[in-house]
Amino acid sequence: DQQVKQNSPSLSVQEGRISILNCDYTNSMFDYFLWYKKYPAEGPTFLISISSIKDKNEDGRFTVFLNKSAKHLSLHIVPSQPGDSAVYFCAAKSSGTYKYIFGTGTRLKVLA
Amino acid sequence: SQTIHQWPATLVQPVGSPLSLECTVEGTSNPNLYWYRQAAGRGLQLLFYSVGIGQISSEVPQNLSASRPQDRQFILSSKKLLLSDSGFYLCACDQRYSPLHFGNGTRLTVT
Repeated sequence: DQQVKQNSPSLSVQEGRISILNCDYTNSMFDYFLWYKKYPAEGPTFLISISSIKDKNEDGRFTVFLNKSAKHLSLHIVPSQPGDSAVYFCAAKSSGTYKYIFGTGTRLKVLA
Repeated sequence: SQTIHQWPATLVQPVGSPLSLECTVEGTSNPNLYWYRQAAGRGLQLLFYSVGIGQISSEVPQNLSASRPQDRQFILSSKKLLLSDSGFYLCACDQRYSPLHFGNGTRLTVT
């Protein structure tokens, strides 16, 4: 039972354009959501998070949007840079638990 | 901010051999500690977490065990490795009001 889904295994975007990565979840108890970036042979790096009391959080080129009614979140990267090429994971958690549930990742390739 | 040390970075072990992976955390105290595994082409699977010394919660019944002998030390072990234990093992930590942070991982290949 996959509670967090990233349905696009890969995405290619031209440098300077917007990258939009999507994530869906099924558990309505999730109230904290995170995005991570991962390069090969390295651990995931935390990018940005959002709690369920918000619908948007911004940090530089990265913005996360949360649509609770649709159980959907997305990560926008503007403008995309070649160094953004990596695998991106979304994760979700319920307050009061210790389990972060991860999606299977989306490989982003930013073309120069 | 905290720093998570994991070693070794890569490991090749024969089937049936024991395993011990160590993780230590600097720059924080009383963290929650986690072991995740990423199998080839798959997401991150939570294996164990610990909220304090000697406290271990197992998420997936399998051939592995974990221990937390000190506040900032987390160990992943196996008595006899299986081929299916191959993967990328990640130690992570968090605290209240801070997101989960990962170490650089150990690539384990069981041959």
